[in-house]
Amino acid sequence: EPEVTQTPSHQVTQMGQEVILRCVPISNHLYFYWYRQILGQKVEFLVSFYNNEISEKSEIFDDQFSVERPDGSNFTLKIRSTKLEDSAMYFCASNIAGSSGGAVSNEQFFGPGTRLTVL
Amino acid sequence: AQKITQTQPGMFVQEKEAVTLDCTYDTSDPSYGLFWYKQPSSGEMIFLIYQGSYDQQNATEGRYSLNFQKARKSANLVISASQLGDSAMYFCAMSRREGEKLTFGTGTRLTIIP
Repeated sequence: EPEVTQTPSHQVTQMGQEVILRCVPISNHLYFYWYRQILGQKVEFLVSFYNNEISEKSEIFDDQFSVERPDGSNFTLKIRSTKLEDSAMYFCASNIAGSSGGAVSNEQFFGPGTRLTVL
Repeated sequence: AQKITQTQPGMFVQEKEAVTLDCTYDTSDPSYGLFWYKQPSSGEMIFLIYQGSYDQQNATEGRYSLNFQKARKSANLVISASQLGDSAMYFCAMSRREGEKLTFGTGTRLTIIP
């Protein structure tokens, strides 16, 4: 069964360093997302990506964050200068969408997550 | 703006009993989707069930069913014959249109007691 994969599973970094989190969405999916979950809290939307551009972003997704789909299979989230409060689990998700033209009809498939620890 | 409310931070249920996890939502959109995800202690997000706002019947997937009451804006998850492996966090979520973001509730931690 196709699945979303994420690497690394755990990343430890020093405050102020840049990190790149990698995701390989399911191959025929059209929409890609990044979410984060601070320990013990709810899952929060960061950004969605469709047709090679950002379709929506939250207020969390400030200038320190960027996303890229460099080669047609990978989908990356970059944090330019990490802060302590960026410590969280980061989930990538993908969605095939596009089939019903109106009401939502498809689940978002989540990857296993990358746990980011900023020291 | 969309909002999901889960009022039960934790629940304890005896094994083999049925359990209902509450979820209410708020949206002004005429078309939307409602989702339930399970998050075990290992951390992954597992899709359980989906209900479209125009679906006439309540969604069912094996032991999971979604009690959708549109007028009350509620989308409760019912798990029948609970098992020890059902112990996890459960998140209700909604999305406005195809491809759009999921908005999550704060979750309910379900513990199944043997």
